[in-house]
Amino acid sequence: GQNIDQPTEMTATEGAIVQINCTYQTSGFNGLFWYQQHAGEAPTFLSYNVLDGLEEKGRFSSFLSRSKGYSYLLLKELQMKDSASYLCAVLDSNYQLIWGAGTKLIIKP
Amino acid sequence: SAVISQKPSRDICQRGTSLTIQCQVDSQVTMMFWYRQQPGQSLTLIATANQGSEATYESGFVIDKFPISRPNLTFSTLTVSNMSPEDSSIYLCSVSVGEHAEAFFGQGTRLTVV
Repeated sequence: GQNIDQPTEMTATEGAIVQINCTYQTSGFNGLFWYQQHAGEAPTFLSYNVLDGLEEKGRFSSFLSRSKGYSYLLLKELQMKDSASYLCAVLDSNYQLIWGAGTKLIIKP
Repeated sequence: SAVISQKPSRDICQRGTSLTIQCQVDSQVTMMFWYRQQPGQSLTLIATANQGSEATYESGFVIDKFPISRPNLTFSTLTVSNMSPEDSSIYLCSVSVGEHAEAFFGQGTRLTVV
């Protein structure tokens, strides 16, 4: 079966750095996405990786290792508004999105 | 990108009744996706709606329970039929557009069945 694993919850301090990990086992791979979802809102697109390596976009970076079936989302200079759930999703061989359950990130002052 | 207007944003319904959720996209798209999200859980794909053909349902979801319409390339509806409390959830419509075919979502419909 297809599976995506993320930690259920993480806590970090305002101004700090946090890394949210995602491991996946899917039938094929056509890219990995990270989404941010604030409570009561729809997910919004953060990043996309299809090749190994690091993609940087402002305070957020995303890393991919296809051989390890592993990705992480790195958030720097954390702000209170970063408190949200972060969803990892993989596009499989049928171009269907497989979603992780999300990691709830709690930012403390 | 895409902007999706979804309504209603929330509703409280009596068991045994039906609710139709609408999604309007600001551009023409081939496929629209309907998801369900239980609190604290992953997005679960209900079905994929193509214009001009019957929707494709995922395992565990059937057309009689979740009929879908797709009359044109910018609009779709999902009906939750004969509702029970187990249908209480957030329902989201989505399209995949953009450089990486990233998903864009409607605002979601928070459904409570009592």
